[in-house]
Amino acid sequence: EVQLVQSAAEVKKPGESLSISCKGSGYSFTNYWIGWVRQRPGKGLEWMGVIYPGDSDIRYSPSFQGQVTISADKSISSAYLQWSSLKASDTAMYYCAKSSLRSLHTAFNVWGQGTMVTVSS
Amino acid sequence: EIVLTQSPGTLSLSPGERATLSCRASQTVGGGSLAWFQQKPGQAPRLLISGASTRATGIPDRFRGSGSGTDFTLTISRLEPEDFAVYYCQQYGSSPRTFGQGTKVEIK
Repeated sequence: EVQLVQSAAEVKKPGESLSISCKGSGYSFTNYWIGWVRQRPGKGLEWMGVIYPGDSDIRYSPSFQGQVTISADKSISSAYLQWSSLKASDTAMYYCAKSSLRSLHTAFNVWGQGTMVTVSS
Repeated sequence: EIVLTQSPGTLSLSPGERATLSCRASQTVGGGSLAWFQQKPGQAPRLLISGASTRATGIPDRFRGSGSGTDFTLTISRLEPEDFAVYYCQQYGSSPRTFGQGTKVEIK
């Protein structure tokens, strides 16, 4: 079964750093794109960016460029979303998702369960 | 960046009724690269439709996607109790991919 399993919920203070993870299983991790999506409480879905673990090709949505870092470790089939200095406005649920095909321009058909990040002083 | 506008914001219907959801793009969506997702409270989004009209694996045939260019529609032929949820369209033909703001289908 193809699965993405995300790391547990986090509670952090403003200014702290954070890395959350997304581990793929049941498929060839290096051959499909992994994307990240933000959903603030009670709000819609926002596309953050994608990574191709095979060669670490990364594409950020302009709204998130410079705000977060996307990376992957193909040796352990995991992708990461990192912040160097969290803000209260980063409070959200974060989802990872996998492309249905190897091409970037395909729908993402498998989603992780989400990681809730709460940033509060 | 392509802006997707969904309408209506909320659709109040009864089980058994037909739901028609609209997604309009600010520019042509290349290659018909339009997807629809369903999201229920406390759950991750689920892919329903890709390529504007192709149902994802396991999606019942009461869900139908149509449209091209800048105008797309998701039709749910007869609403089942489990279909009451929020629906999002997403274009993935141009970078960055973008989502619409969502349509909530609620029980009347």
